[in-house]
Amino acid sequence: EVQLVESGGILVQPGGSLRLSCAASGFTFSSYWMSWVRQAPGKGLEWVANIKEDGSEKYYADSVKGRFTISRDNAKSSLYLQMNSLRAEDTAVYYCARDYPMDVWGQGTTVTVSS
Amino acid sequence: QTVVTQEPSFSVSPGGTVTLTCGLSSGSVSTNYYPSWYQQTPGQAPRTLIYSTNTRSSGVPGRFSGSILGNKAALTITGARADDESDYYCVLYMGSGNWVFGGGTKLTVL
Repeated sequence: EVQLVESGGILVQPGGSLRLSCAASGFTFSSYWMSWVRQAPGKGLEWVANIKEDGSEKYYADSVKGRFTISRDNAKSSLYLQMNSLRAEDTAVYYCARDYPMDVWGQGTTVTVSS
Repeated sequence: QTVVTQEPSFSVSPGGTVTLTCGLSSGSVSTNYYPSWYQQTPGQAPRTLIYSTNTRSSGVPGRFSGSILGNKAALTITGARADDESDYYCVLYMGSGNWVFGGGTKLTVL
């Protein structure tokens, strides 16, 4: 079964840092681009970042550029999102998704940025 | 900055047909934007319905279909059922790795 499982979401103070993880199974992880997508409470979906199969290309939404870093470990079939300088507006459920197209999604992990 | 537009809300009768659209604030949507459609109910992860304009995701019934209608991408639901009542999102590929989601359409079946 193709599956993505996110973890790492917690309550963090503004200005803090956090690393999200996404564990993939059931498909050849190293053959796919991967994305992070988020959804603020009561709001729509927002694409955050994606990364090429070998990690050589990475792209970011303007809202997170310079603060977030996407990475992957193909040996562990895992995707990561390092989030720095967190703001209240980063509060959201964060989903990882298999990309091009975004066809497989995880269940999400909740990040709350609040003092 | 280009905005992806969707109807904020739509209503359909049970058994009816509804077409939701996905446009651009400037320009026309074509297959080159690889439009995809997702269904989401409260508290759940998005479910992929359609990708690359008209390819149905595994397990999605034939009642859901995607197309380009005029200058927009479209999702058509035929034989609407009560459990189709959900939020529907489209996403377009803008190049350079970037995807942009529409604001979503809240579909009511009544």
